[in-house]
Amino acid sequence: AQRVTQPEKLLSVFKGAPVELKCNYSYSGSPELFWYVQYSRQRLQLLLRHISRESIKGFTADLNKGETSFHLKKPFAQEEDSAMYYCALKYQGAQKLVFGQGTRLTINP
Amino acid sequence: NAGVTQTPKFRVLKTGQSMTLLCAQDMNHEYMYWYRQDPGMGLRLIHYSVGEGTTAKGEVPDGYNVSRLKKQNFLLGLESAAPSQTSVYFCASSSRDWNTEAFFGQGTRLTVV
Repeated sequence: AQRVTQPEKLLSVFKGAPVELKCNYSYSGSPELFWYVQYSRQRLQLLLRHISRESIKGFTADLNKGETSFHLKKPFAQEEDSAMYYCALKYQGAQKLVFGQGTRLTINP
Repeated sequence: NAGVTQTPKFRVLKTGQSMTLLCAQDMNHEYMYWYRQDPGMGLRLIHYSVGEGTTAKGEVPDGYNVSRLKKQNFLLGLESAAPSQTSVYFCASSSRDWNTEAFFGQGTRLTVV
């Protein structure tokens, strides 16, 4: 079965420090990977997706098929980045979006 | 453009009571989903629908029923609420294209006492 693993439930870094949120997936084909973000008491919203290869709010993510990873990175964390982050996977023919367990990121001043 | 709207936003139920959560989307999306969000568990899929009149079970369907009588609406029912169903419920919708994003509602915070 397709699975998404986010090994860190909690991650705390200082403002200005680099951030990396890990995401690993299990799927043998070519998936589409997403990162969703949920700010305090707000709805989930798309942060970025693999296919668009964008940098959103300074975040980037590279799909590494060899390591089956899609880690989210930002070189300099800001306090407003504090939120819950979910990695998600979908593949061609799938009807469901599979989410990881989520990582709560806290940026300390 | 409202996107995905959930009602109600908050609800407190007594054990054994029933209720229905409504999700409405105005983007003409074929796919709709109900998730529950619990601390440390992430988002778990309860039920989903790939079109009007069709529904399917997700990871945690027990204790819930759904209906999709109209394309724009997806209802989640709790026939006899239990404290284990205390959670935040999110509805989402997406087009049938496999690599497009899902759009989420603002969530319903349900407490069963």
